[in-house]
Amino acid sequence: SAVISQKPSRDICQRGTSLTIQCQVDSQVTMMFWYRQQPGQSLTLIATANQGSEATYESGFVIDKFPISRPNLTFSTLTVSNMSPEDSSIYLCSVRNSGSYEQYFGPGTRLTVT
Amino acid sequence: SQQGEEDPQALSIQEGENATMNCSYKTSINNLQWYRQNSGRGLVHLILIRSNEREKHSGRLRVTLDTSKKSSSLLITASRAADTASYFCATAMRSGGTSYGKLTFGQGTILTVHP
Repeated sequence: SAVISQKPSRDICQRGTSLTIQCQVDSQVTMMFWYRQQPGQSLTLIATANQGSEATYESGFVIDKFPISRPNLTFSTLTVSNMSPEDSSIYLCSVRNSGSYEQYFGPGTRLTVT
Repeated sequence: SQQGEEDPQALSIQEGENATMNCSYKTSINNLQWYRQNSGRGLVHLILIRSNEREKHSGRLRVTLDTSKKSSSLLITASRAADTASYFCATAMRSGGTSYGKLTFGQGTILTVHP
């Protein structure tokens, strides 16, 4: 399985600011995903990060709020923009390679917005 | 609504006992995956079972899948205190296109194993 790292591991941010979360994989992967886990809840898919094209967002998530970059096959960023306390969550990146169904997750970024 | 629903929501057992968690889903799937999450950290991939499989084993883990009932179960045998965690099932739908590769998660079961 791929080794996935995320930066930062946690942060406390003020309302109205933005935070960019980085996801680095130790090998090239076809598909990368960003998920959100609100406190005490399950995971919800935010978007699929496509290399070389725009990300594909799920219902309820928009690019202006969660811009995503995927400059190459090992790296992606998720920005949480104009944050409010409701954005306090764990944000996780996930990867999967074509030809394999297993999907692996990074350690997550715990975001608290005050 | 969530594709997967899990029960029980919480399970408390003694070390050495077996733990069984169930997951139900609503649509046809390509595969179902089980994950463990310790204390709000990242998810650890436990096991994947494909829609044409009925049972898989990995160490102390046994997963079953009943596609006619749209349900799966995860059995942890001889549980240990270190198994204390939240367990999630996640389904990958059969259809391709924009759904390709996406996982839909259940609400999870919180397992507590007492020493």
